[in-house]
Amino acid sequence: NAGVTQTPKFRVLKTGQSMTLLCAQDMNHEYMYWYRQDPGMGLRLIHYSVGEGTTAKGEVPDGYNVSRLKKQNFLLGLESAAPSQTSVYFCASSYGRVMQETQYFGPGTRLLVL
Amino acid sequence: GDSVTQMEGPVTLSEEAFLTINCTYTATGYPSLFWYVQYPGEGLQLLLKATKADDKGSNKGFEATYRKETTSFHLEKGSVQVSDSAVYFCALRKDTGFQKLVFGTGTRLLVSP
Repeated sequence: NAGVTQTPKFRVLKTGQSMTLLCAQDMNHEYMYWYRQDPGMGLRLIHYSVGEGTTAKGEVPDGYNVSRLKKQNFLLGLESAAPSQTSVYFCASSYGRVMQETQYFGPGTRLLVL
Repeated sequence: GDSVTQMEGPVTLSEEAFLTINCTYTATGYPSLFWYVQYPGEGLQLLLKATKADDKGSNKGFEATYRKETTSFHLEKGSVQVSDSAVYFCALRKDTGFQKLVFGTGTRLLVSP
């Protein structure tokens, strides 16, 4: 099993450009999450999904949109990138139904917005 | 709101030294507690967890005990190795409703030979 994979690994954008980050998992997990990691701030939840076709806002959703059309994929979109969105983005997944289980993380996407 | 506080780093140690990374939390109810580790260039991996008071989580020589009276979950290892160099994140999760993880800011550990 590949676990959780993310595409791309690194991207440079200009202010105002758009892009989509792809997360895929092959563990048949119900729940998927997008986080951003910034220096001195730990990880913050952007959006999450509790199942195919569902999405919900996390702590810092502004400027991002998400879609979960297939159970194994969770897409994060930036419609008009801003320098404040320079960050490392992590996707995670979990079974979601069983109490006290854990989240599995992808390797991250490093995004630089100029 | 719920929060996790970790000691600031970096923590710099020589190989075979004893490690303690402090973590305290603020939360209502009875959260589960976790330590995640992030090796350079990689995503986070679960290191250990504890789900109720006085539980001890352990893995790869690391240990942490859930202390409800002091709201702490300090990470310890008796003898660190160079390969333990990484960033360590303490986190809590409320086991009601949506299973959101709340992370601390992370502590970088540097182990020299």
